[in-house]
Amino acid sequence: GENVEQHPSTLSVQEGDSAVIKCTYSDSASNYFPWYKQELGKGPQLIIDIRSNVGEKKDQRIAVTLNKTAKHFSLHITETQPEDSAVYFCAATPPNSGGYQKVTFGTGTKLQVIP
Amino acid sequence: DAGITQSPRHKVTETGTPVTLRCHQTENHRYMYWYRQDPGHGLRLIHYSYGVKDTDKGEVSDGYSVSRSKTEDFLLTLESATSSQTSVYFCAINPAGSNEQYFGPGTRLTVT
Repeated sequence: GENVEQHPSTLSVQEGDSAVIKCTYSDSASNYFPWYKQELGKGPQLIIDIRSNVGEKKDQRIAVTLNKTAKHFSLHITETQPEDSAVYFCAATPPNSGGYQKVTFGTGTKLQVIP
Repeated sequence: DAGITQSPRHKVTETGTPVTLRCHQTENHRYMYWYRQDPGHGLRLIHYSYGVKDTDKGEVSDGYSVSRSKTEDFLLTLESATSSQTSVYFCAINPAGSNEQYFGPGTRLTVT
């Protein structure tokens, strides 16, 4: 089955600096890669995603990149702000054939943005 | 928030007692999921449902059962709670034919 590894497990950055979180996956059939942000006491929230036919996607200060050959994908946050402090999860998902959606999650990165 | 609520939000129970957690959705989604979240493990799938009375096991289903008698409700039951089931439990849905999953606010369960 799919295995997703996520690094680092913790990350501290100064406000205004960039943060990068990296994930690798094992199943070449995976074609959808979401990223979730989880604030303290809340459920994970989908913040951005990328599909295997795209190499990069941006949404304001957040960007994701995907290298299918190397089976790597990364989350980039620029101009970090204190409200970016949270736990971030990557995930990998095989094609949805109309049935249930199997998702394999990374183990999470706790990001701390220091004012 | 995808119209998902979970109850209770917090529960403390003793080893050996039965516990039922409820997930309620308001948007008529067919697919519903129960995950547990533990440090160092991320989110792991316990059970999922693909319709009323249609459920199947996930990767960590031992010690758990589920039921879905109505589209909007998905119940997770621990028949005899153990300390290893102390965790945060999340319900999720995904719209049919879509990859995205949306999560509820979670239930923190402590088994003493």
